[in-house]
Amino acid sequence: DGGITQSPKYLFRKEGQNVTLSCEQNLNHDAMYWYRQDPGQGLRLIYYSQIVNDFQKGDIAEGYSVSREKKESFPLTVTSAQKNPTAFYLCASSILPGASDGYTFGSGTRLTVV
Amino acid sequence: DQQVKQNSPSLSVQEGRISILNCDYTNSMFDYFLWYKKYPAEGPTFLISISSIKDKNEDGRFTVFLNKSAKHLSLHIVPSQPGDSAVYFCAASDRGSRLTFGEGTQLTVNP
Repeated sequence: DGGITQSPKYLFRKEGQNVTLSCEQNLNHDAMYWYRQDPGQGLRLIYYSQIVNDFQKGDIAEGYSVSREKKESFPLTVTSAQKNPTAFYLCASSILPGASDGYTFGSGTRLTVV
Repeated sequence: DQQVKQNSPSLSVQEGRISILNCDYTNSMFDYFLWYKKYPAEGPTFLISISSIKDKNEDGRFTVFLNKSAKHLSLHIVPSQPGDSAVYFCAASDRGSRLTFGEGTQLTVNP
């Protein structure tokens, strides 16, 4: 079955540490996205990539970094520069950067700073 | 600048009645709109969509209405079921660009 796999489901980070969230898709989708969900704020775009080896900042990119070395993979690193990293992180993909086919989402990673 | 707004954080309805979830947008270039449903600790799943050339799209119990002059869309669920209890996100796109999401509305359907 095709889909998006995010790992781990739960992640705990100590202050000052960098952590990397994994996102893998086998849908052969060109575009991939990272969103952050906070209560009452909906889904906010962190980074997105329309093609391998290329990515763009979203609305809240500060304190985050990404890479897109393979079509299937789009890992997100939460750096120590991110002031409030505790949140639910969602990865998504779409056939094309456009919305006509909609996005397919992973099941998310809950990151907690301890 | 919140281009897509869902002004009701929560909505509670009785089983069997109609649920109406609302969404407003400010960008007149948006030409495609979608609704997603999200359960806790899961990713959102696509529910229904509508193109700006239409004013209504129906899929089973779910109907989306688009009022372009008012920049408003709504999702109607009839009849509502307890399994419909979830967070519903409205999303919009401008000519194939990335989606912009609203804040979400928590729907609770009481048995």
